[in-house]
Amino acid sequence: AQSVTQLGSHVSVSEGALVLLRCNYSSSVPPYLFWYVQYPNQGLQLLLKYTSAATLVKGINGFEAEFKKSETSFHLTKPSAHMSDAAEYFCAVSFNAGGTSYGKLTFGQGTILTVHP
Amino acid sequence: DAGITQSPRHKVTETGTPVTLRCHQTENHRYMYWYRQDPGHGLRLIHYSYGVKDTDKGEVSDGYSVSRSKTEDFLLTLESATSSQTSVYFCAIRTRTGNTGELFFGEGSRLTVL
Repeated sequence: AQSVTQLGSHVSVSEGALVLLRCNYSSSVPPYLFWYVQYPNQGLQLLLKYTSAATLVKGINGFEAEFKKSETSFHLTKPSAHMSDAAEYFCAVSFNAGGTSYGKLTFGQGTILTVHP
Repeated sequence: DAGITQSPRHKVTETGTPVTLRCHQTENHRYMYWYRQDPGHGLRLIHYSYGVKDTDKGEVSDGYSVSRSKTEDFLLTLESATSSQTSVYFCAIRTRTGNTGELFFGEGSRLTVL
């Protein structure tokens, strides 16, 4: 069975500081990995995805994530935080998007990012 | 915008009453999903559909049923609502482009069961 663990339910950074949100996964087959962002009272928006091509994935709003198979990790980073980055972030895993998995995503618990001026 | 509309967006109901949430899509996608979001649990899959009249259970399906009589609509029903079903419910679709499993989400339906 696949699972996702996000380390830290709350992360607080200063504006301009590095953002690091941690995600570790468990999957018995090569995974597809995703980061989503949720702003207050809104749905989830895809930030970036890993689909077995380049291990360093660049997404929207200056975010990127690196797939590390040896560490089963897919941490999300941004070099310089902006006030507008304050939101909740979710890591998710899927595998074999065709076949019998039906494209289901398994989500982590979420990490709330606070950005201080 | 993946053309997903959820209704109602907000609902308050009493324990024991039936509730139906509707997810409507305009782009003829085959795969549709219902998730619930609760603090500390992220999003958990309730039911999903891979075609008209083709549905299956997710990890938290107890107390929920679904129906998909036409491609564009996926209904989630709580036959007898309980306070533990107070949550935000999200519908999602998987588009045909590529085979990467990414989902697109609606704006959510906030349900409060008193």
